[in-house]
Amino acid sequence: ETGVTQSPTHLIKTRGQQVTLRCSSQSGHNTVSWYQQALGQGPQFIFQYYREEENGRGNFPPRFSGLQFPNYSSELNVNALELDDSALYLCASSPWGLEAFFGQGTRLTVV
Amino acid sequence: AQTVTQSQPEMSVQEAETVTLSCTYDTSESDYYLFWYKQPPSRQMILVIRQEAYKQQNATENRFSVNFQKAAKSFSLKISDSQLGDAAMYFCAYRSARVGANSKLTFGKGITLSVRP
Repeated sequence: ETGVTQSPTHLIKTRGQQVTLRCSSQSGHNTVSWYQQALGQGPQFIFQYYREEENGRGNFPPRFSGLQFPNYSSELNVNALELDDSALYLCASSPWGLEAFFGQGTRLTVV
Repeated sequence: AQTVTQSQPEMSVQEAETVTLSCTYDTSESDYYLFWYKQPPSRQMILVIRQEAYKQQNATENRFSVNFQKAAKSFSLKISDSQLGDAAMYFCAYRSARVGANSKLTFGKGITLSVRP
């Protein structure tokens, strides 16, 4: 166990809906990154938050947005869901510049 | 932009034998980190081993060791005395060590390792 917890573990949404995924980072970790992992692929970087500010973004459209809270927990929001958004969403937390620890992910299915 | 390539989609090894997983990468940076992560069916990404590019010595963690060839941009993982619990997907990943860079990891597509009893 890494101390990084994600919720929910699974969910099913309908195309066009909005979804919020949550990540509780490990104690003392001020950096949170989100990744999308399609089936059979490697994770793709969505964005990173450091001390509540976005600090780097991958090649994802603006309907992917996030937040980091003062306790360093984080949310990933996806609007106008598309079928291709079906994937495993991974959260990773770390102290700045140091090793990232991953949560178990949220499996999102869009139907 | 950095890229990581894992060209072998699957490998199989007999229990107690040794297996080597290959990875190549491309970058214009001189200072970076390379990682191997393991992802079992539980989905959680677990760090196996890490290599700093400025270190010539290959990293070792118990049964896991790497062969880091900086000029060739090659980073392979050797698993010795393979165990049934080693069966998983393995990902090679790159992270910049440039001052001010964020902690973004660039992953390869992964390789599925099966271990035969």
